[in-house]
Amino acid sequence: NAGVTQTPKFRILKIGQSMTLQCTQDMNHNYMYWYRQDPGMGLKLIYYSVGAGITDKGEVPNGYNVSRSTTEDFPLRLELAAPSQTSVYFCASSYLGHMNTEAFFGQGTRLTVV
Amino acid sequence: EDQVTQSPEALRLQEGESSSLNCSYTVSGLRGLFWYRQDPGKGPEFLFTLYSAGEEKEKERLKATLTKKESFLHITAPKPEDSATYLCAVSMNSGGYQKVTFGTGTKLQVIP
Repeated sequence: NAGVTQTPKFRILKIGQSMTLQCTQDMNHNYMYWYRQDPGMGLKLIYYSVGAGITDKGEVPNGYNVSRSTTEDFPLRLELAAPSQTSVYFCASSYLGHMNTEAFFGQGTRLTVV
Repeated sequence: EDQVTQSPEALRLQEGESSSLNCSYTVSGLRGLFWYRQDPGKGPEFLFTLYSAGEEKEKERLKATLTKKESFLHITAPKPEDSATYLCAVSMNSGGYQKVTFGTGTKLQVIP
């Protein structure tokens, strides 16, 4: 049982480049989330999805886009990367919404924008 | 303003030395409080959910408690493998919708 799988684990981007962070879960969870974690800060919600075809903004959505075409996949797109997007990104999923129950996190993607 | 504050930021214990981590919150409409453990280079791993004041949950050497203003994660006779960062998160009603706010964590080091 793989749980939540994120790829890549590490990436270095140049300013202005774009990339997609991949996230897949095999638990048939409807709810999926993208968080970023910066040193000394709590996890911040970027986007979330309550099911295939339905997404919504979290606290810090600027500079990011998401899509949810299937229950399993929830990719995060960075357009025109900026140094402020240097962070560790976590994808998570849960059975019930907005973390009313436990959330399962991926291993994270460490992104550096130079 | 909704706030979640964890203390201390870092804690160093000798193996077997029991202690407590604190998560204090000022939110309206608490829906639940979560504790997660995070190992270096890994994603958070769920430990407990508490929903109402007075509730307690236990798992091995860990016990979580909840009051109306704070939660404690008690660690009894810790072992080196308990070394990790412990995160709390509060689920709350905010402006007509629900949101989750994470604390910044307590980094625990247990020395043999």
